[in-house]
Amino acid sequence: GQQLNQSPQSMFIQEGEDVSMNCTSSSIFNTWLWYKQDPGEGPVLLIALYKAGELTSNGRLTAQFGITRKDSFLNISASIPSDVGIYFCAGHPTNSGGSNYKLTFGKGTLLTVNP
Amino acid sequence: DSGVTQTPKHLITATGQRVTLRCSPRSGDLSVYWYQQSLDQGLQFLIQYYNGEERAKGNILERFSAQQFPDLHSELNLSSLELGDSALYFCASSVASGRGETQYFGPGTRLLVL
Repeated sequence: GQQLNQSPQSMFIQEGEDVSMNCTSSSIFNTWLWYKQDPGEGPVLLIALYKAGELTSNGRLTAQFGITRKDSFLNISASIPSDVGIYFCAGHPTNSGGSNYKLTFGKGTLLTVNP
Repeated sequence: DSGVTQTPKHLITATGQRVTLRCSPRSGDLSVYWYQQSLDQGLQFLIQYYNGEERAKGNILERFSAQQFPDLHSELNLSSLELGDSALYFCASSVASGRGETQYFGPGTRLLVL
């Protein structure tokens, strides 16, 4: 099946610092999504990207759909304590074929922000 | 609040038992997806329904089944439960079923099999 490599696995930063995480795939994706999950809660959609090269912001968050369509990154600027959580990348591969529209998830990046 | 609701929030049961998890999609969404999240496997797609019909299958065990009803709510049935079935089960919904559809997740049901 499709694999998404998400890095880093975890990050420990100080409040106010900027954060960057990314996802790569060996195959082409036609959608990239970034989710945040708080403990015991469902993933919450942060940013959706639909076109190669697309750069989208949502407040302090910025994400880009890589030109090669095999990668995406998420940046968080001026981090605050409530940014703590697990960030997941997800995407729809282009070669899923048939009725297979499975959303493939990365393993997640655990972000800890020290106040 | 994503608009997707799931019940129950927590479920504790014994091995060999059967449980039913319920999901109501966002208003207007026709597609429902079920996911299992465990510590070692991450988020795994189980199955998708679109307007009452099964549309895609993922890593769903034969002991598990799902359906989507005319009012578009969905149920995931887990039978002959094993210890390893303990996990968070999420439902997500989207407007349609095409590629690139943005999925919105519910709060999940935490299942503990003892």
